[in-house]
Amino acid sequence: QKEVEQNSGPLSVPEGAIASLNCTYSDRGSQSFFWYRQYSGKSPELIMSIYSNGDKEDGRFTAQLNKASQYVSLLIRDSQPSDSATYLCAVKFRTSYDKVIFGPGTSLSVIP
Amino acid sequence: GAVVSQHPSRVICKSGTSVKIECRSLDFQATTMFWYRQFPKQSLMLMATSNEGSKATYEQGVEKDKFLINHASLTLSTLTVTSAHPEDSSFYICSASLGGGPYFGAGTRLSVL
Repeated sequence: QKEVEQNSGPLSVPEGAIASLNCTYSDRGSQSFFWYRQYSGKSPELIMSIYSNGDKEDGRFTAQLNKASQYVSLLIRDSQPSDSATYLCAVKFRTSYDKVIFGPGTSLSVIP
Repeated sequence: GAVVSQHPSRVICKSGTSVKIECRSLDFQATTMFWYRQFPKQSLMLMATSNEGSKATYEQGVEKDKFLINHASLTLSTLTVTSAHPEDSSFYICSASLGGGPYFGAGTRLSVL
């Protein structure tokens, strides 16, 4: 079983719609979860972090975490063409150095 | 502004040469830094954990003699790709944590001819 999995996409949504990105992880003891946005040829940019079950909202972004189901998601409301990018789910695993493992990423295209 | 600085941003070298990549934490001390590699259209793969004052911890399948990591100070980690070959061509990215989630350097695109 892969450690962090995401729906591979590509995901296309019209401008103004809600984009929903999903992620599951294997380490039941993980406590820290992150969403990154990566534009082609650039390094990832941290957009959300979440540590507790439930929802966390930041502007147009909402992260949702369900530790019992080992599931974390990202909703992007009022999607804009500038949101078109690859979204990476990352999980901090329990090790002596708290290494962060990334999912394969979901490519999102927002169509004007 | 950036919290992690990485240099150089791009390297083109001949096969068989060694390449050093620097990663610096800006205005904070990072006892642990991480090195990732990303091939085109793939996700980030953790290569190793760089620990200040001790040996790096390498992920399974990563050759420690080929990818030398030195974390000589609390703000600097270096990755040296020794005897680089075309298959080592990739995007190398370092990260460090400042509380919360890790922040990434801008990355180094290595092209080995």
